[in-house]
Amino acid sequence: NAGVTQTPKFQVLKTGQSMTLQCAQDMNHEYMSWYRQDPGMGLRLIHYSVGAGITDQGEVPNGYNVSRSTTEDFPLRLLSAAPSQTSVYFCASRETGLYNEQFFGPGTRLTVL
Amino acid sequence: DAKTTQPPSMDCAEGRAANLPCNHSTISGNEYVYWYRQIHSQGPQYIIHGLKNNETNEMASLIITEDRKSSTLILPHATLRDTAVYYCIVGSQTGANNLFFGTGTRLTVIP
Repeated sequence: NAGVTQTPKFQVLKTGQSMTLQCAQDMNHEYMSWYRQDPGMGLRLIHYSVGAGITDQGEVPNGYNVSRSTTEDFPLRLLSAAPSQTSVYFCASRETGLYNEQFFGPGTRLTVL
Repeated sequence: DAKTTQPPSMDCAEGRAANLPCNHSTISGNEYVYWYRQIHSQGPQYIIHGLKNNETNEMASLIITEDRKSSTLILPHATLRDTAVYYCIVGSQTGANNLFFGTGTRLTVIP
């Protein structure tokens, strides 16, 4: 199993540009989520999904959209990037009905100029 | 979900036990205690979890006080590779995928 994969690893955007961060998992996990981590801070939940076709907002959802058309993929879209969105983004997944052992991807480091 | 309090940093000598404390005085009856760690900006890694009994796995031991208001993660023989930020999180077993990470404890293992 590849686990949770994220692309790209690094990205630089200009203010106002849009882009999609990709996340995929091959463990057939129902739950997937996106976190951001700012320097010296813990992770903050952006959006999450409890299954295909179902998404919900986390702690810091503004400026981000998500969709979940398949179990495997959970892309995060930035519609109009802002410097405040400069951060490291982590995607995670876990099985349904178990304790909360989440599997995290390696992260995408995003810089918005 | 209940909030946790951890010391911002700790040092531990290589080969010695590292004991990382966590306070969660507002924990409710159905909330578990989870520990994750994050090594050098990698994605967090699950370590262990528990409800009220002490737990042990190949990575660590988790000691939860009888009143469940605090816990300690024990790395029995710390190595340099254990240098990381350790997060103590409380949450319910069911429900959405919401883990609330604080700033954790930065553990530095010293040679």
